[in-house]
Amino acid sequence: AQTVTQSQPEMSVQEAETVTLSCTYDTSESDYYLFWYKQPPSRQMILVIRQEAYKQQNATENRFSVNFQKAAKSFSLKISDSQLGDAAMYFCAYRSSGSARQLTFGSGTQLTVLP
Amino acid sequence: DTEVTQTPKHLVMGMTNKKSLKCEQHMGHRAMYWYKQKAKKPPELMFVYSYEKLSINESVPSRFSPECPNSSLLNLHLHALQPEDSALYLCASSQAGAHGVNGYTFGSGTRLTVV
Repeated sequence: AQTVTQSQPEMSVQEAETVTLSCTYDTSESDYYLFWYKQPPSRQMILVIRQEAYKQQNATENRFSVNFQKAAKSFSLKISDSQLGDAAMYFCAYRSSGSARQLTFGSGTQLTVLP
Repeated sequence: DTEVTQTPKHLVMGMTNKKSLKCEQHMGHRAMYWYKQKAKKPPELMFVYSYEKLSINESVPSRFSPECPNSSLLNLHLHALQPEDSALYLCASSQAGAHGVNGYTFGSGTRLTVV
């Protein structure tokens, strides 16, 4: 079974600064997908960024980028130019490419953005 | 339409009540999911429907009864719940094929309180 580990329960960043959230995972599969989801106090889980394991190039979405290290099974999220609206719980998630296709979530990192 | 709509947003029910949660999407997704989320924790998978058939039941107590009447709707019927069942219930949908890169689309959840 796959496991996803987020070792930072809480992080804080100054507005306009850069912060990196860590995520590691364990799997025996070679083909899979990785995601970062954001859950603000409004409760809705919002997809921030996604990465296909077969792609070597790191995904980027505006101020959000990932550092995907397949051999190390590491998938960190970098948020540049942090904004107050980035404050939320961030979940790293793994999805198998197989038939189950369930999302396995990490325990989450609560990000606070300081003005 | 790129949304998953959940109703009601809030629900308070007694332990002897029967109530239902509703989830609707019109994105053509053929996989739908129910998750339970406690505060500051990641979502926990309850049920998976694929092509309107129940494909995964994560050993959920029978007081939770899912139903998928058509490809756009997913219900969760609740009966004789316990106070520990109080949580945020999230619905999600995804493409059911091998298009795992798109991840899930989540609704904003129903906040359930059992008294």
